[in-house]
Amino acid sequence: EDQVTQSPEALRLQEGESSSLNCSYTVSGLRGLFWYRQDPGKGPEFLFTLYSAGEEKEKERLKATLTKKESFLHITAPKPEDSATYLCAAHGSSNTGKLIFGQGTTLQVKP
Amino acid sequence: NAGVTQTPKFRVLKTGQSMTLLCAQDMNHEYMYWYRQDPGMGLRLIHYSVGEGTTAKGEVPDGYNVSRLKKQNFLLGLESAAPSQTSVYFCASSASGQIYGYTFGSGTRLTVV
Repeated sequence: EDQVTQSPEALRLQEGESSSLNCSYTVSGLRGLFWYRQDPGKGPEFLFTLYSAGEEKEKERLKATLTKKESFLHITAPKPEDSATYLCAAHGSSNTGKLIFGQGTTLQVKP
Repeated sequence: NAGVTQTPKFRVLKTGQSMTLLCAQDMNHEYMYWYRQDPGMGLRLIHYSVGEGTTAKGEVPDGYNVSRLKKQNFLLGLESAAPSQTSVYFCASSASGQIYGYTFGSGTRLTVV
């Protein structure tokens, strides 16, 4: 059964303290690995798509990487405005466009 | 540029009542999805549609029905609401498959008492 697991569930950082969020997946025929950001009371907002092992993408203080079993979201020198829930999702081999989501990591960055 | 619009944003239902959640997208996307989000459970797929006039069951379809009569609209119905359906519901749409990712609506918070 296809599965996506994120860790940790919650992460507290001081402003400027870099860290990484983990997304482990067991998905047959991975076609894409997605990262989303979700602010309280809002819908998830698209951040990155990774397609193959070794691929990396960056946006401001965020960098996403992909291996054959995991993806990491690295946050460098975070600011309080980076506080949000980060969701990881995988697209397997089906042609229906369905994504399998992890439970998310809630990040709090304190000033 | 509206993207994906969900109505209503909040609703309180009594057990046994029915209601319809509306999702509208203006991006000419083929694929549309309904998810529910519960604490500790993540986003779970209820139903989805790969084109006008088509629907299919997702991971947790029981107690829900859907219709996609027009390409831009995807309706989620609860025929007889139950407290277990208390959740936040998100609609999403995408172009062909997942290559471009989903665009999500802002959600509907539903409470069934």
